[in-house]
Amino acid sequence: DAKTTQPPSMDCAEGRAANLPCNHSTISGNEYVYWYRQIHSQGPQYIIHGLKNNETNEMASLIITEDRKSSTLILPHATLRDTAVYYCIVSPLDSNYQLIWGAGTKLIIKP
Amino acid sequence: ETGVTQSPTHLIKTRGQQVTLRCSSQSGHNTVSWYQQALGQGPQFIFQYYREEENGRGNFPPRFSGLQFPNYSSELNVNALELDDSALYLCASSREASGGLDTQYFGPGTRLTVL
Repeated sequence: DAKTTQPPSMDCAEGRAANLPCNHSTISGNEYVYWYRQIHSQGPQYIIHGLKNNETNEMASLIITEDRKSSTLILPHATLRDTAVYYCIVSPLDSNYQLIWGAGTKLIIKP
Repeated sequence: ETGVTQSPTHLIKTRGQQVTLRCSSQSGHNTVSWYQQALGQGPQFIFQYYREEENGRGNFPPRFSGLQFPNYSSELNVNALELDDSALYLCASSREASGGLDTQYFGPGTRLTVL
């Protein structure tokens, strides 16, 4: 079973910041928080990952709470092309790690 | 640097047949993982290949098998196809990093329909 809980769907206005929450209260010390997104029927696209510090790249920012039990993915200026299912996954980066996926959050960006 | 590629894009088979799906890993990556994604669900881990050996397997029957070649490309074989095998099959590649593996990057998938 997935170790994360996400809202099934969210809306966001185009040009605004999209904030996607994720709960992972049973996360272990060696597990990273990963975010992927999947645009309809395409392969998942890697967005960002982090262990305990906040992370930022050209796509998004990842804010992880100090107790690491939850995180938020922030898309700073959402566009219509950001409409997708967003998956939050926790996984260690050990030698045979597998990604265990939940149902994700369907994010709809509205004009 | 080329990304992960998969072939074919779409495939239609009938129940009982066998199918082979192919994946070329991203340049510099030596590990390939396969996932099955049924409609409306998240991907499910099938197995992983590292240096041509199976390196972990999910809850899939033995009729799902795989290979990894010296150039790190991989095949997924499914025998005795069932209707429930209809799904998007995803391949992800990753490279070794200190302490384990680095981030998995996905290909576009192969859509398999079993009639």
